This record gives sequence, C-alpha cells and structure tokens, in this order.
Amino acid sequence: EDKVVQSPLSLVVHEGDTVTLNCSYEVTNFRSLLWYKQEKKAPTFLFMLTSSGIEKKSGRLSSILDKKELFSILNITATQTGDSAVYLCAPNTNAGKSTFGDGTTLTVKP
Amino acid sequence: DTGVSQDPRHKITKRGQNVTFRCDPISEHNRLYWYRQTLGQGPEFLTYFQNEAQLEKSRLLSDRFSAERPKGSFSTLEIQRTEQGDSAMYLCASSDSREGRYGYTFGSGTRLTVV
Repeated sequence: EDKVVQSPLSLVVHEGDTVTLNCSYEVTNFRSLLWYKQEKKAPTFLFMLTSSGIEKKSGRLSSILDKKELFSILNITATQTGDSAVYLCAPNTNAGKSTFGDGTTLTVKP
Repeated sequence: DTGVSQDPRHKITKRGQNVTFRCDPISEHNRLYWYRQTLGQGPEFLTYFQNEAQLEKSRLLSDRFSAERPKGSFSTLEIQRTEQGDSAMYLCASSDSREGRYGYTFGSGTRLTVV
C-alpha cells in the first residue's frame, strides 16, 4: 500500500524565519511528486517535481526531490503570516492518482 | 471556465438517507477525481475517471458509494444509507493528463454532516 509521511506535523515560527518541510514516500509506479497549500478550503497546487536534484522555485518557496531516497523537501524563506496553512505532499503515479500525506500545519506569527 | 465546481457546498442529512453530490470539472480536463478529507488528515482517494471510464476505485470504499461520469463531463458521487462515519469534506479535482500535467485543480468541496 502506498505510504506518505510528512514531518513535522506542525510548526510555529515568527515572520522572517525560514522553514523546511519534509515528505517521505513509498509509492508503486511513481511518476512525480506534488506539493499543495491548503488554507480554509481546498488545496491549491504549488509544485510538481519529476526529476531528482532539480530545484523548483516560486518566489520564496522552493522544493527539491530525491528519487533515490524517496524524499522531498519544501523550503519557505522569509515567512509571512500569509504562509500559514497546511502543506500537503502528494506522490503521483503513472495512472495520475495521488496519495496525500496528512500535511504539515505551519503557523507564522507576526 | 471558472474552475472546478461542486454542488452543494454543504449537506446535512439524517443517518440512513441517501445523498448525491455533483462535480463539474474544468471543461478541457479529461481526468476527474473524488477524494474525502476529515479534520487533521490529508485527502483520501476514493475514485477517478478518465473521460467516462472509471479506472480505479479505492478498496476502502464500501458498496454504499458509487460514482458516475456520464459523457465524460460532470460527475456524481452517491452515498447510500449514510452513516455518521461518512461525515467529511468530499473533494473533487480534475487534471489534464494529455499535457503531462498531473497537478490537480480542486473544487471547493462538499461538506457532509450525517446526524
């Protein structure tokens, strides 16, 4: 059975701090890994990673995948209160199905 | 196109009743997914369609759950004889596999409360 473990479960930081969120996975027929941000509604897509070692960046967010170690990290630099959310990791199979982790709840205090 | 639409947004039902939810995906997306999410958990896969074909259904899904996607457009998810454990947010998502983009676009969800 496919398995996704995210850590830490929750994190409280102050504005300006840098955070690293972790995701480890065991998925059959792995194709890509996706990161989502979920506030008080449905998840919104952040990144899709398909190749090891190639960093994807979007503003203050960046992510990288290690397909050998079955691991991905999401970094957020200079955090802002608007970054407060649940961050979900979701490995995706060749069939297009995603298995979601339970997320990391990030709280950024002013 | 305004994204993925789900209806209703909220549903309260008595235990034992049947409920049906609707999802309208992004029109050019050929894949449609149903997930269920409870508080503190990530979305849990229920089933997915490519065009009108239902390609996979979770083994966790009991026979009380059924989904359809006639004509490969909108989809419905029906839960028969609802139980309190069915209370959750039901999320629909769509994607376009033909462009190799597997990122989902989620709808706002239908929150089901079984009393």
